[in-house]
Order: sequence, then structure tokens, then C-alpha cells
Amino acid sequence: DTAVSQTPKYLVTQMGNDKSIKCEQNLGHDTMYWYKQDSKKFLKIMFSYNNKELIINETVPNRFSPKSPDKAHLNLHINSLELGDSAVYFCASSRGGPMLPQYFGPGTRLLVL
Amino acid sequence: QQQVKQSPQSLIVQKGGIPIINCAYENTAFDYFPWYQQFPGKGPALLIAIRPDVSEKKEGRFTISFNKSAKQFSLHIMDSQPGDSATYFCAASMEETSGSRLTFGEGTQLTVNP
Repeated sequence: DTAVSQTPKYLVTQMGNDKSIKCEQNLGHDTMYWYKQDSKKFLKIMFSYNNKELIINETVPNRFSPKSPDKAHLNLHINSLELGDSAVYFCASSRGGPMLPQYFGPGTRLLVL
Repeated sequence: QQQVKQSPQSLIVQKGGIPIINCAYENTAFDYFPWYQQFPGKGPALLIAIRPDVSEKKEGRFTISFNKSAKQFSLHIMDSQPGDSATYFCAASMEETSGSRLTFGEGTQLTVNP
């Protein structure tokens, strides 16, 4: 059973398009995250939701909009894709509270042409 | 501003060697320091974590050493194996109302040769 799953695994699209990435966790966690890993493998948090409420919103262009329909799902919609958006996007989840492990999904590899 | 600095960027050791990866942080409010392991094509996975009230933590072949006064911590891998070849990330976070904002180091690509 996959704990944190993401779809799609690969996404190749043209500049200017709008795309969505979906994430689901079956761990019963109430906190979910989106991270971006760039070509140098640097990992940076983008957003975090706790019980469907946005609690972390890093300096991310407003073309990126997360949506959490329920505790088990956190989707990421990206408008007007740019070349610099090419990266691997990871979803993660944890139980609420600090100092608890975050469980990462397998990643979505986005390539903007 | 990079709040967690990690070195070296890459590391090659022979099987049985003891690779050491170092991290330094700036924000004294950080109070949780995990290490994540990432294999190619996979998401990061928690390896081991430490709080600043202890100076060392061991789990199997992996040990974290923590120096609070120097604001540094390191990962040691005893008796390293080719299967340990991966990218290792140190991270830091602080207590927040809910959730945990992990700030990652730049990563170290470890290669263990047979």
C-alpha cells in the first residue's frame, strides 16, 4: 500500500499551459506539504496544510495554488507555466505538531518546454 | 539566505569506510534536526533525527553527532555499504503551531564503491 501517492509521475508541457498535480495520503495524517526540488537537488518547502487550512505559504509565485479538498488530499495547480517551473515536486505528510517525521511521495517530474 | 549549510557536496568512499557529512545552522530557534536519505527517482525518507538536548544518537549503522554551541551536526555511517549510495539531506525545523517547516541543506551525494 502506497502511503503518499502523487499523480502524474511525469508531466511534460508547453510554456503558458496550466497543469495540476494530485497528492493523496492514506496514513491518517492531518498535515500535508508541497516541496520543490530543483535541478541541483535543493529541496524547498512551498506550502503546508493542516486539516485543510493553509498554514505555511513560502515565497511562491501566485501562479501556484494549492487546494486541499480533505485531510487526505492536497493538490497543486500551476497556471501559466514557465521554463523555471521545471523541477521535481514532492508531496509529503505528517501528523500535526513539530518534530514528527514527514513522509514523502515519489515525486512528480515536471518539464516545461 | 541559506539557513542550513551542508558539506561536502559529494563524497566517495570504499565499502566499509565511514563517510561523514556535516551541517551547520544559523537559527538558534531550530530544535529538531532530521536526516533524510534519497535514492534516485524516489522521494526523501527519514533516516534518523536528533533534538539539541542530546549530543549523539545512534540507530543501527547511522549516528548523528550534535554540537549545540557550534551550531553544527553531522551524520556518520559506519561500515558503509554500496546500498548506502544515495543523496543525504540534513534538515532543521522549529516548533510551530502545527506542522513542521523543514529547512534542508544542499544535499550530499554519497557513493560507496564495492
